[in-house]
Amino acid sequence: DAGVIQSPRHEVTEMGQEVTLRCKPISGHDYLFWYRQTMMRGLELLIYFNNNVPIDDSGMPEDRFSAKMPNASFSTLKIQPSEPRDSAVYFCASTQDGARYTFGSGTRLTVV
Amino acid sequence: GQNIDQPTEMTATEGAIVQINCTYQTSGFNGLFWYQQHAGEAPTFLSYNVLDGLEEKGRFSSFLSRSKGYSYLLLKELQMKDSASYLCAVREDQKLVFGTGTRLLVSP
Repeated sequence: DAGVIQSPRHEVTEMGQEVTLRCKPISGHDYLFWYRQTMMRGLELLIYFNNNVPIDDSGMPEDRFSAKMPNASFSTLKIQPSEPRDSAVYFCASTQDGARYTFGSGTRLTVV
Repeated sequence: GQNIDQPTEMTATEGAIVQINCTYQTSGFNGLFWYQQHAGEAPTFLSYNVLDGLEEKGRFSSFLSRSKGYSYLLLKELQMKDSASYLCAVREDQKLVFGTGTRLLVSP
């Protein structure tokens, strides 16, 4: 079991550029979650999917953020255009039964 | 609304016992989780309580009282490697809602 795999691990980009974060959940896990972590606000849920369908996107900060899950083994979180306040660590997590959620290693995003 | 409260920071000595409290007020409740997060790393699962009572797992135990909206994580025989942040989270439907975490510093 390779766990939840995220890429890239680190991303530095200039304000206004498009950023795409990627996630591969654990095989067989039907739920996929995108979280953002900052010192000020902790871990915040952005959006989650069940069987590739978005269920709750109420945490997506604004229209600059979008997420897709084209198949059971891949999801993307896109920010366009990026802003310095988007700098954070973005985590992807998955679960099969809701009794244990496994997190990926995260993507540390810096927007300058 | 959602409100999950934990102390911001705690300190303890190697070999001691520490209890990290968590109180919650959420619109839904399907279980309470504790995660450990070392600096620069991902959160890792520690425990899951859905019924009232104490769950023991090695040096770590977690307690839940649903009527009081209260949980605690008990760490025994503290080791230096236990220095980390401890995150309390409530499951609402299938999503986890996290508190801001408690940073634990273990000193020699």
